[in-house]
Amino acid sequence: HLVESGGGVVQTGRSLRLSCTATGFTFDSHVIHWVRQAPGKGLEWVALISRDGRNADYRDSVKGRFAISRDNSKNTVIMQMNSLRPEDTAVYYCAREDYTIVQGNEYHYGMDLWGQGTTVTVSS
Amino acid sequence: DIVMTQSPLSLPVAPGEPASISCRSSQSLLHSNGYNYLDWYLQRPGQSPQRLIYLGANRAPGVPARFTAITSGTDFTLKISRVEAEDVGIYYCMQALQTPWTFGQGTKVEIK
Repeated sequence: HLVESGGGVVQTGRSLRLSCTATGFTFDSHVIHWVRQAPGKGLEWVALISRDGRNADYRDSVKGRFAISRDNSKNTVIMQMNSLRPEDTAVYYCAREDYTIVQGNEYHYGMDLWGQGTTVTVSS
Repeated sequence: DIVMTQSPLSLPVAPGEPASISCRSSQSLLHSNGYNYLDWYLQRPGQSPQRLIYLGANRAPGVPARFTAITSGTDFTLKISRVEAEDVGIYYCMQALQTPWTFGQGTKVEIK
């Protein structure tokens, strides 16, 4: 399972810290992603963090404002969201990336496990 | 960024009838390992998304055999052979070749 927490209602310019806690699998074997969904809109990829936490990547609109980290000893990924904007209002999902390794080559198998989502509302 | 374009955006289907959703990418999704990095997801009403297809045409474990996917260059198609009530929801294609990963707009499948 993946369980998100930390959502809430904040004013423009403020911060929130989202958590994604995993149970039931080998956490440090998987890249973890955040995907968001604005009210009534489609899915939007936000960020990812590598298995060892050393590498992260973000969509341009959140670069410099969001920071993702992980603590593999606690099976947790954190996304620190600063300088929040109304357009950041969304349900935020964390998702596990599945993969396989064949003869030393890694193959992407999609995001196979998703949390239930946590809602972030940024008021202007 | 790679742009993913789905059609149609709305698809009413009678139970037992087939359905087909198209997705086109703005550039090749072919990875150096020979596979297309294209997934399909279903988001049922009020639920989190779930994986249906990965690497362009591989059905995920537990996904019914009535779901198939084909690839042709930058065109991808998800087919449902006979739509059932539980297939209602929004279907998204997504490219995972390069960040930012990008989704199509979504296709809403409903029962007539």
